[in-house]
Amino acid sequence: DVKVTQSSRYLVKRTGEKVFLECVQDMDHENMFWYRQDPGLGLRLIYFSYDVKMKEKGDIPEGYSVSREKKERFSLILESASTNQTSMYLCASSGHQGSPNTGELFFGEGSRLTVL
Amino acid sequence: QKEVEQDPGPLSVPEGAIVSLNCTYSNSAFQYFMWYRQYSRKGPELLMYTYSSGNKEDGRFTAQVDKSSKYISLFIRDSQPSDSATYLCAMSRITNAGKSTFGDGTTLTVKP
Repeated sequence: DVKVTQSSRYLVKRTGEKVFLECVQDMDHENMFWYRQDPGLGLRLIYFSYDVKMKEKGDIPEGYSVSREKKERFSLILESASTNQTSMYLCASSGHQGSPNTGELFFGEGSRLTVL
Repeated sequence: QKEVEQDPGPLSVPEGAIVSLNCTYSNSAFQYFMWYRQYSRKGPELLMYTYSSGNKEDGRFTAQVDKSSKYISLFIRDSQPSDSATYLCAMSRITNAGKSTFGDGTTLTVKP
């Protein structure tokens, strides 16, 4: 069974703290993504990566950074958490090398972050 | 204006009803069309995937794409309480297929 695993389901952090959200996929996918999901705003793309050590900004990258040191792992970093970063964070992966990338995404269970 | 607009809902139907979920889009470059189902407090799971125009059926689910009208639909036949979830449409371009654009979702409740 294919799997995208997010390290923490629920986190509570204080304003100004550094936050790491980890994501691991076991499908040998080339592409990995971080989205946030908020009521009324849908899913918004924060960052994505098409290859190890490569990253590209999505639609709302401000306040976030990412790291992809290994193919299977993609980390989202909040350098200094703020209350407006309280949200559900979803990691996703897709695509195999040499195959057409059709856009089908496989999501993790989500990490619900609360910043106080 | 958003690139993808989804009927907002919420929708509440009796068990056994036929459900129609709909999205419109403005970007004619979209070629891949997906429907995801998301249960409460879970991540979205891919339900249906369609390339370009046409219909695709999988059990009780039918995905329909009309590129001329820039309109996609998901039909659920004989709806069950277990279908109660939020349904998200998504679409992407061939040249940047990994980067999908999502609708805001429609929450469906199927009452026994």
